[in-house]
Amino acid sequence: DAGVIQSPRHEVTEMGQEVTLRCKPISGHNSLFWYRQTMMRGLELLIYFNNNVPIDDSGMPEDRFSAKMPNASFSTLKIQPSEPRDSAVYFCASSPGTVDTEAFFGQGTRLTVV
Amino acid sequence: GENVEQHPSTLSVQEGDSAVIKCTYSDSASNYFPWYKQELGKRPQLIIDIRSNVGEKKDQRIAVTLNKTAKHFSLHITETQPEDSAVYFCAASKSNYQLIWGAGTKLIIKP
Repeated sequence: DAGVIQSPRHEVTEMGQEVTLRCKPISGHNSLFWYRQTMMRGLELLIYFNNNVPIDDSGMPEDRFSAKMPNASFSTLKIQPSEPRDSAVYFCASSPGTVDTEAFFGQGTRLTVV
Repeated sequence: GENVEQHPSTLSVQEGDSAVIKCTYSDSASNYFPWYKQELGKRPQLIIDIRSNVGEKKDQRIAVTLNKTAKHFSLHITETQPEDSAVYFCAASKSNYQLIWGAGTKLIIKP
């Protein structure tokens, strides 16, 4: 398995533009997480899906952020409109979904909003 | 809710010496405590984890100890090597997903 795959690896966009980040979890994993990492705030859980259903989106910063998981092999995180303070590394992670299991992280998308 | 505090924020040790990173948690119902290592520019990766029914776990040069009464757990790295330089994160969980993360410790191994 190639692991969790995220695209793009780097994204530079202008303030106000829409940004879409993509994630392909490990096959067979039924839990998927989106995290944001910054120096100031560390690792923050944005949203958690289980069996393609959003279970907890309390970490989504505001209505500009939305996430979808239309099927077991694909998820998107969208920011519309983007702002400079959204600049961060966004990680997608998946796990088998049972209790006490490892979360496997993708390589992340480094987003810069100018 | 759960809160995880991690100390120190930066740790510098001489190559070959031991390093200890400590975390405390607030929710006594937490039962799973993983440690992740994140090298510069890379993804976090699990290096060791411990469950609440175990007090200590070892894997070669790394070990984790858990004190449920005091609600703290620690990562121990012995015979440190340059490749151990990274940011280490602790986390605590009581459910199947809600990992609460520490702020991270930057470990620097001095040659």
